[in-house]
Amino acid sequence: DAGITQSPRHKVTETGTPVTLRCHQTENHRYMYWYRQDPGHGLRLIHYSYGVKDTDKGEVSDGYSVSRSKTEDFLLTLESATSSQTSVYFCAISERDASTGELFFGEGSRLTVL
Amino acid sequence: QKEVEQDPGPLSVPEGAIVSLNCTYSNSAFQYFMWYRQYSRKGPELLMYTYSSGNKEDGRFTAQVDKSSKYISLFIRDSQPSDSATYLCAMTRSTDKLIFGTGTRLQVFP
Repeated sequence: DAGITQSPRHKVTETGTPVTLRCHQTENHRYMYWYRQDPGHGLRLIHYSYGVKDTDKGEVSDGYSVSRSKTEDFLLTLESATSSQTSVYFCAISERDASTGELFFGEGSRLTVL
Repeated sequence: QKEVEQDPGPLSVPEGAIVSLNCTYSNSAFQYFMWYRQYSRKGPELLMYTYSSGNKEDGRFTAQVDKSSKYISLFIRDSQPSDSATYLCAMTRSTDKLIFGTGTRLQVFP
């Protein structure tokens, strides 16, 4: 299994509070991604990174920010959580760009915003 | 209209059946096609990868791409209870981001 660790795995928080999810990899892969998965919508890309300090937006980036100060860590921050951000969040890594299709996913972080 | 459409199921079949899972898409620029398998409460894992049109076989799994119809399929032969999972199709143009289908939940009963 690819070395990807997401933390926390489960979190319940209240509307308006900040939340940070962490993704840590031990594979030294260049690309890192944050997805959310919701019923009826599948996996949707929030943000991704193609190198240290190099990040870009995905299709559902509003309300989220990311940072990557080290190759191994990719942080996803919800500045002020809303109930619509209740979801399962997956981190993924890949050695090369998306055309190879070979993304390795973490176990997911289940976030509930009350 | 979504770029990638996939029937959510659930699809329930007896052990040993041949399973057909499908996705349609609207963007004719897609060239790279994948199938991911996701077990309950786990992250997705890559199952099959196909470039452009044609078939690709790996054990009991066959991936098929028909670019003229904008249609991709995954066939599972001799299905097993351990194949019970959600299957997601995914595709991309080149170095662009992957677009995922919503997933089809498959249940194989003994």
